[in-house]
Amino acid sequence: GESVGLHLPTLSVQEGDNSIINCAYSNSASDYFIWYKQESGKGPQFIIDIRSNMDKRQGQRVTVLLNKTVKHLSLQIAATQPGDSAVYFCAESTRSHNAGGTSYGKLTFGQGTILTVHP
Amino acid sequence: GAVVSQHPSRVICKSGTSVKIECRSLDFQATTMFWYRQFPKKSLMLMATSNEGSKATYEQGVEKDKFLINHASLTLSTLTVTSAHPEDSSFYICSASGRARYSGANVLTFGAGSRLTVL
Repeated sequence: GESVGLHLPTLSVQEGDNSIINCAYSNSASDYFIWYKQESGKGPQFIIDIRSNMDKRQGQRVTVLLNKTVKHLSLQIAATQPGDSAVYFCAESTRSHNAGGTSYGKLTFGQGTILTVHP
Repeated sequence: GAVVSQHPSRVICKSGTSVKIECRSLDFQATTMFWYRQFPKKSLMLMATSNEGSKATYEQGVEKDKFLINHASLTLSTLTVTSAHPEDSSFYICSASGRARYSGANVLTFGAGSRLTVL
């Protein structure tokens, strides 16, 4: 089955600490995974993505790890700041192909995690 | 970068009336648009997928006569909530997938969301 929305778990950290947010995905056929940040009353904001043929990818202050064996995805945020406080969602997708070339298929979102960073 | 403009950001309507939410892609042609619904402290649930010039594909359990989706051009998709009732109150978010006008890169961008309150 596909991931279903549930009440969101929470993670509280102190400013400067590293944060690790976890996500379990459901579709073994997914080949594209994305982390989004959503602030209150706003749409999701892209953070970082990773393809299924990779197990790690780094960005600025963020690292995404992918473990396909157990269908697990994690987002690590280094030196967490108060501005990082938000809800974080993982999403999975399969790429599709149309006449215009490769495009992204629909996203299935994970349950999300509320991150609160205390000054 | 690719931007999706969604409006209205907030709308309040009386029960029984219809509400239209617009989603426009700026600087890219949105061959596919996705509409999501999000309840407070829950994840995004995909409602429907629409390809330009085609009828929308609705997810299981979503009433197509209740949530009318139009994607008549490569830059505009609309979601109309017909005969709205208080249980339709929610946060509606669109996303658009396509090719950036200048770079030609595939993009997938979210709108800022629309908060619908039905009295």
